[in-house]
Amino acid sequence: DTAVSQTPKYLVTQMGNDKSIKCEQNLGHDTMYWYKQDSKKFLKIMFSYNNKELIINETVPNRFSPKSPDKAHLNLHINSLELGDSAVYFCASSRNPTRQYGYTFGSGTRLTVV
Amino acid sequence: AQKVTQAQTEISVVEKEDVTLDCVYETRDTTYYLFWYKQPPSGELVFLIRRNSFDEQNEISGRYSWNFQKSTSSFNFTITASQVVDSAVYFCALSEEATDSWGKFQFGAGTQVVVTP
Repeated sequence: DTAVSQTPKYLVTQMGNDKSIKCEQNLGHDTMYWYKQDSKKFLKIMFSYNNKELIINETVPNRFSPKSPDKAHLNLHINSLELGDSAVYFCASSRNPTRQYGYTFGSGTRLTVV
Repeated sequence: AQKVTQAQTEISVVEKEDVTLDCVYETRDTTYYLFWYKQPPSGELVFLIRRNSFDEQNEISGRYSWNFQKSTSSFNFTITASQVVDSAVYFCALSEEATDSWGKFQFGAGTQVVVTP
């Protein structure tokens, strides 16, 4: 069983479209995250939810909106996609406290905006 | 300011050579945690090790070993007798207890390791 699963794995879309990436974890973790990895491989946190509550909201354009219907799911919706949104997006989850246990990452979603 | 520095952008070695990846961190906290993650060409991020600031013992796991030195704020990673399957990007990360309640890690820029047969 996949611990943290993201769908889709690849997403190619045109500028201006709206798209969503889904994430589910079956580890029973309370905290979930979205990270963005740019073309230089740099990893930057975007959002975090703890038991459906938003706890980290970095400086991210408000075209990005996370949604957590329950603690096992954290989805990422992106409106009006721009070329600069092209990146790999990773979902992750963690036992609390995360700093002690570290993340379990999903396999990533490669978003390409054309 | 960059809190985790991985100065080596890319390291190329021939199979069976040893390779050491440097990680230097910066923190004022007395309690913090350091991590290494591996990102193979397939793209997933794989947890390798966690170390807390009170545990300075070095660790060995198979061909992997880690050298934690608080005096130099370094947490270096060595792969002994490298294999082609070790080719990946390796990330070092820091989590600080006082400033980070919810696991906002500071990642280094990563070091690409290329192992050729």
